[in-house]
Amino acid sequence: NAGVMQNPRHLVRRRGQEARLRCSPMKGHSHVYWYRQLPEEGLKFMVYLQKENIIDESGMPKERFSAEFPKEGPSILRIQQVVRGDSAAYFCASSPTSRGQGKETQYFGPGTRLLVL
Amino acid sequence: DAKTTQPPSMDCAEGRAANLPCNHSTISGNEYVYWYRQIHSQGPQYIIHGLKNNETNEMASLIITEDRKSSTLILPHATLRDTAVYYCIVRVGSSGNQFYFGTGTSLTVIP
Repeated sequence: NAGVMQNPRHLVRRRGQEARLRCSPMKGHSHVYWYRQLPEEGLKFMVYLQKENIIDESGMPKERFSAEFPKEGPSILRIQQVVRGDSAAYFCASSPTSRGQGKETQYFGPGTRLLVL
Repeated sequence: DAKTTQPPSMDCAEGRAANLPCNHSTISGNEYVYWYRQIHSQGPQYIIHGLKNNETNEMASLIITEDRKSSTLILPHATLRDTAVYYCIVRVGSSGNQFYFGTGTSLTVIP
């Protein structure tokens, strides 16, 4: 059973360009979470999605960032008009079910390292 | 929201037990404690989780105090490959599905 897959693993963009990060959850998992890790810091929650629905986007910046998890295909984290401060590692995690204060473990992918020049 | 507090760094001799403490004094009654580790900026790796009782798996043991305000992760025989940042995590957020990572404990296993 393949783990969580993310691509690309490394992405270089110039200021003002768009970045698209993709995440394929583990087989049988319908819940996806995105986290961002700045250098020398811990992971920070961004958004939680189920198929075709955003459940919790309280950690997403209000502008330029969006996420989707369509019925078919991977989850996409999109960053428009990137700035140097967007340079970070972006991790995706998936879980099979979620029951609020439940007990489901999140399994993380290898991350995408975004560098904005 | 429940948060966690961990020492920023620890050393452990190879072959010895590594005991990593975590304080989660504001944890709610039905909230699980999770432990993950991150080796050299790789994706976080799940280790173990628990609610009230002590737990053990092939990687580690988790000891949770009776009042649930703190816990200890035990790596029974640390190896060099256990050098990593260890995160004690509780769920936070309105949906109850955010993992709060904090800054973790950087464990260095010394030969």
